[in-house]
Amino acid sequence: AQSVTQPDIHITVSEGASLELRCNYSYGATPYLFWYVQSPGQGLQLLLKYFSGDTLVQGIKGFEAEFKRSQSSFNLRKPSVHWSDAAEYFCAVGALNKLSFGAGTTVTVRA
Amino acid sequence: NAGVTQTPKFRVLKTGQSMTLLCAQDMNHEYMYWYRQDPGMGLRLIHYSVGEGTTAKGEVPDGYNVSRLKKQNFLLGLESAAPSQTSVYFCASSGPGQGGADTQYFGPGTRLTVL
Repeated sequence: AQSVTQPDIHITVSEGASLELRCNYSYGATPYLFWYVQSPGQGLQLLLKYFSGDTLVQGIKGFEAEFKRSQSSFNLRKPSVHWSDAAEYFCAVGALNKLSFGAGTTVTVRA
Repeated sequence: NAGVTQTPKFRVLKTGQSMTLLCAQDMNHEYMYWYRQDPGMGLRLIHYSVGEGTTAKGEVPDGYNVSRLKKQNFLLGLESAAPSQTSVYFCASSGPGQGGADTQYFGPGTRLTVL
């Protein structure tokens, strides 16, 4: 069965600073990987996904993620954070018609 | 195009009461899912469906039942609610995708409190 670990429960970053959120997955075959964002009181919105091909994936809102098979990682990055990026971020691995989500990382942006 | 909608948005139940949560999607998606979200635990899959008339158990199915009588609707039932079922419930839908793991589109959630 697949699983996802997000090691950081909470990250605080200054507006304009860079952001990196870590994600490690466990799956025996080629993974399908996703990052979703959840603003307070809202549902989840897809930021980006990796199925195959280029290991650096571009997403919406200026986010990107890099798939590293050797490290079983799919870390999310943004060069310059905006106050509106304050939210909870979920990494997920997909297989067999299902997604398995990590516990999430809450991002706080300080002025 | 409303996407995925959930009814109701909020609900308070007493222990032992029953209720049904309705999920509807207008994207002609084959797959539909019910999750619960609890603090520090991410989203956990309750039940899912890969097509009209089919259902399957997810990670935490106990205490819940589901039905998919129409392709666009997926119902989640609680027959006898317990305080442990206090949570935020999300419905999602997707196409079959590649290898059966495509982008899921989420509803806005239902906040359920069981007293």
